[in-house]
Amino acid sequence: GAGVSQSPSNKVTEKGKDVELRCDPISGHTALYWYRQSLGQGLEFLIYFQGNSAPDKSGLPSDRFSAERTGGSVSTLTIQRTQQEDSAVYLCASSFRGDEREQYFGPGTRLTVT
Amino acid sequence: DAKTTQPPSMDCAEGRAANLPCNHSTISGNEYVYWYRQIHSQGPQYIIHGLKNNETNEMASLIITEDRKSSTLILPHATLRDTAVYYCIVRVDTGANNLFFGTGTRLTVIP
Repeated sequence: GAGVSQSPSNKVTEKGKDVELRCDPISGHTALYWYRQSLGQGLEFLIYFQGNSAPDKSGLPSDRFSAERTGGSVSTLTIQRTQQEDSAVYLCASSFRGDEREQYFGPGTRLTVT
Repeated sequence: DAKTTQPPSMDCAEGRAANLPCNHSTISGNEYVYWYRQIHSQGPQYIIHGLKNNETNEMASLIITEDRKSSTLILPHATLRDTAVYYCIVRVDTGANNLFFGTGTRLTVIP
């Protein structure tokens, strides 16, 4: 079946501009996660959604970062006033409720801030 | 904040078993050992996880030492498509909703 999809696959933006990254989780998965991976480094957790519960935002690096999940499905990660250090691959993952152990990842969005 | 230590890179001949070690000497009693891999330009892929018993699935085997301070991921017959970065992670099974990846082991399968 269809996996987690993300768009765009690549995004180049100028410093100071806002960007929106989209994630379509696997149908039926109630848990959704955002991570970022900087060059040569491991994954860094950003935010977690589970059903209708308040999201876990503990990983967001600054108030320029925010995320929404509409209708319990599609999620959008927004970065305002982008900085060069925001350049990274942003990965989205989803899992079944009660089975957060097995997260299925999307292909990621490569963000480059010039 | 990764709690695991892995060698940065390893080579393995195609068709041979790849044994990837991981040290997690500070693992807590309620923490599981997970393995993921990331093939170039793709998102991470779940491989296997375990608590204290050895585990096997269609992709790999996981051997956890009796004291649980280290583990080994075994790919029994490595193929070129297994070339990837392999991440060993420890986490509690419930109540935690995210994964912290270290830098992993870059496995190169050689023809």
